[in-house]
Amino acid sequence: SAVISQKPSRDICQRGTSLTIQCQVDSQVTMMFWYRQQPGQSLTLIATANQGSEATYESGFVIDKFPISRPNLTFSTLTVSNMSPEDSSIYLCSVSRENYGYTFGSGTRLTVV
Amino acid sequence: AQSVTQPDIHITVSEGASLELRCNYSYGATPYLFWYVQSPGQGLQLLLKYFSGDTLVQGIKGFEAEFKRSQSSFNLRKPSVHWSDAAEYFCAVSTGNQFYFGTGTSLTVIP
Repeated sequence: SAVISQKPSRDICQRGTSLTIQCQVDSQVTMMFWYRQQPGQSLTLIATANQGSEATYESGFVIDKFPISRPNLTFSTLTVSNMSPEDSSIYLCSVSRENYGYTFGSGTRLTVV
Repeated sequence: AQSVTQPDIHITVSEGASLELRCNYSYGATPYLFWYVQSPGQGLQLLLKYFSGDTLVQGIKGFEAEFKRSQSSFNLRKPSVHWSDAAEYFCAVSTGNQFYFGTGTSLTVIP
């Protein structure tokens, strides 16, 4: 299965600032996914990122708040903009490979103070 | 609408005891089914998956799961739990276009 490197692994940020999370995959993949896991909750899909096109956002998530880049088939970034304490979560990137299911990065634990 | 239900929010078992974590799904056709484990402060690790074929699936770390179409279930089992199995377990369903997670079951292992 694919190996995903995600960074930073954790960060503490001031409200009103932005954080960019990077996700690097060891092989080319068509789609990359970004999830949020709020404290004590399950995972919620934020958006799907395809190379060469705009990301597709799920209901409740908007590009201005969570801009995503997908410059090539092995890399993507998610930015959490204008952060507030409610954005404190674990953010995970994921890829899907045929017959391998979904592989997840180790996550970014974000705390907004 | 598709959904995944994990009825047990929290389970406590003694080390060495057997374990079964329940998962039920709602979907019109046979979905792809997954179990993931999340250790404290960590990301998600795939334990096992079911796409088709043998309904009893073997995974890593001694886990297995059985797909029962008649019950729309995909329960995770382990015959003897180790203290290192304490973690959050997520059942997930893929319909090809969408991926749905259950709310998770937190496992505590006592000596």
